[in-house]
Amino acid sequence: QQQVKQSPQSLIVQKGGISIINCAYENTAFDYFPWYQQFPGKGPALLIAIRPDVSEKKEGRFTISFNKSAKQFSLHIMDSQPGDSATYFCAASLGGTYKYIFGTGTRLKVLA
Amino acid sequence: SAVISQKPSRDICQRGTSLTIQCQVDSQVTMMFWYRQQPGQSLTLIATANQGSEATYESGFVIDKFPISRPNLTFSTLTVSNMSPEDSSIYLCSVNVGNTIYFGEGSWLTVV
Repeated sequence: QQQVKQSPQSLIVQKGGISIINCAYENTAFDYFPWYQQFPGKGPALLIAIRPDVSEKKEGRFTISFNKSAKQFSLHIMDSQPGDSATYFCAASLGGTYKYIFGTGTRLKVLA
Repeated sequence: SAVISQKPSRDICQRGTSLTIQCQVDSQVTMMFWYRQQPGQSLTLIATANQGSEATYESGFVIDKFPISRPNLTFSTLTVSNMSPEDSSIYLCSVNVGNTIYFGEGSWLTVV
């Protein structure tokens, strides 16, 4: 019940295409859903986050779509660029604890 | 946000030895967290460190193996004790600012 399932494990997208990464959770106590981007040799960096009272959040080329009833959320990267090539982690937080449960990660490669 | 500095950034350690990782934050924070990221894997919370109290360890992690200090609101250390090759990982310090967790660059440990 504490898991966050992330798919796909790896993704290859052409430059200019849309990258879509999906996550699913079971625990309805989760109330904060961030996405992190990690480049090789670096720590994860917050990309965008959403709360369950919102169905969509957009920041630049990055959009989170959230489906509360299905307990799923996804990251869309529009106009994907080679510089977006990184590993992406979804996460879920238990209300007020700041304990993050991370997905297994998606390695994205954007071809030039 | 927060600027988090970790030392060492990388190290190669001999089996059976111990290594202490330092984490310095540029502002006072209540909670600091230590995560482990094994090669090509996701992030797993080791423990939560609050100033003035004992660290709280997650299932599968014990104080004898991963002792933590939190002497003030800007600093923490994690010691990896009696290391084995299975301890080869990235160890990440993180802090919460508002509702968000920010990570340091990580300490890459290789145990030989």
